[in-house]
Amino acid sequence: EAGVTQFPSHSVIEKGQTVTLRCDPISGHDNLYWYRRVMGKEIKFLLHFVKESKQDESGMPNNRFLAERTGGTYSTLKVQPAELEDSGVYFCASSQDALAFFGQGTRLTVV
Amino acid sequence: TQLLEQSPQFLSIQEGENLTVYCNSSSVFSSLQWYRQEPGEGPVLLVTVVTGGEVKKLKRLTFQFGDARKDSSLHITAAQPGDTGLYLCAGPYSGGSNYKLTFGKGTLLTVNP
Repeated sequence: EAGVTQFPSHSVIEKGQTVTLRCDPISGHDNLYWYRRVMGKEIKFLLHFVKESKQDESGMPNNRFLAERTGGTYSTLKVQPAELEDSGVYFCASSQDALAFFGQGTRLTVV
Repeated sequence: TQLLEQSPQFLSIQEGENLTVYCNSSSVFSSLQWYRQEPGEGPVLLVTVVTGGEVKKLKRLTFQFGDARKDSSLHITAAQPGDTGLYLCAGPYSGGSNYKLTFGKGTLLTVNP
């Protein structure tokens, strides 16, 4: 069974550009979470989808971040326009019940 | 805000030694999870502790949840180079779903052969 897959693994963009991160959860998992780790800080919750619905987006930093999960399958997280402080590792996790699995993360560098 | 403080931040030991890392909070958690993360990978769940005072063993790893459910420890016996990694503790936000988690910053463990 495939695990949680994230694309790309690395992205380097210039300040002001747009970047879209993708997460493919484990098939059949209704719950999908986005997290972010900024350098020197702890991993922080961004938002939670149940199927295609946003259950909780209280951790989203600001309106430059837009997450979608059309059809309740894969999810995208778009940052537009990117700022220097958006640099970090973005993790996605999926779960069906008591066990969640994390993807390998996307390392985003904004220069 | 529910914060988790992990200590030590870095730990470098020789193969065969024992070690303990800690996860502390001023808040009560319904459960705490321990993860190990290796470079270029996401966190992998090791264990979830739920009951105050609970002790769980996973081979050479022993996890304990404090009686008051505010702290936890991870003890590794006879550490091996394969134990090297970032150990993270995490707990669910009060009132949130099980995987709306707050994480500690982690303990980076290096086990030298």
